[in-house]
Amino acid sequence: EVQLVESGGGLVQPGGSLRLSCAASGFTFSSYAMSWVRQAPGKGLEWVSRISGSGDSTYADSVQGRFTISRDNSKNTVYLQMNSLRAEDTAAYYCASMSTSWYFDLWGRGTLVTVSS
Amino acid sequence: DIQLTQSPSSLSASVGDRVTITCRASQSISNYLNWYQQKPGKAPKLLIYGASSLQSGVPSRFSGSGSGTDFTLTISSLQPEDFATYSCQQSYSTFYTFGQGTKLEIK
Repeated sequence: EVQLVESGGGLVQPGGSLRLSCAASGFTFSSYAMSWVRQAPGKGLEWVSRISGSGDSTYADSVQGRFTISRDNSKNTVYLQMNSLRAEDTAAYYCASMSTSWYFDLWGRGTLVTVSS
Repeated sequence: DIQLTQSPSSLSASVGDRVTITCRASQSISNYLNWYQQKPGKAPKLLIYGASSLQSGVPSRFSGSGSGTDFTLTISSLQPEDFATYSCQQSYSTFYTFGQGTKLEIK
């Protein structure tokens, strides 16, 4: 079955760190760019970061310098290391695979990150 | 960054109605515009890519059009399962952006 499954969310204090994981199955993971997209409670979708199949990465300005995306093609997994977390980072975080035309064609169910003291 | 503005922000309609949602880009994005449907507590689902191409498995009552800065998503005859939030997304720039969403509610 083609699917993405996120894990690693939870409650963290402001200034803390968290690492999210996204396990892929059912497709040739190394051939696809992957992204993280988040959604704050009651808000719209916000793209966070993208990594190509070979490891090139880009970030939204809101997380540049604090978040790091990486991937392990041997494990079919993409990661998001989140440091210096802020209250405004509270959101459901989704991983998504990207087509060659840069739309998000497969989504995971998401993992919730809450930044609060 | 490229800004996407959807209108309306919310919409009430009845089963069987024809509905159109608009997405306007702050600069020309050719046809690099995609549409997603999201139901409460669920992940988004791709409906339309490249402004007008229907994703596999999506009912043909959904259609998209437009190019440049102005785009539309049309549902030809609303079904009960179509009540959801719809968001556009541009893939012209590598700093991908989404519209703020349009919530489609039952009248």
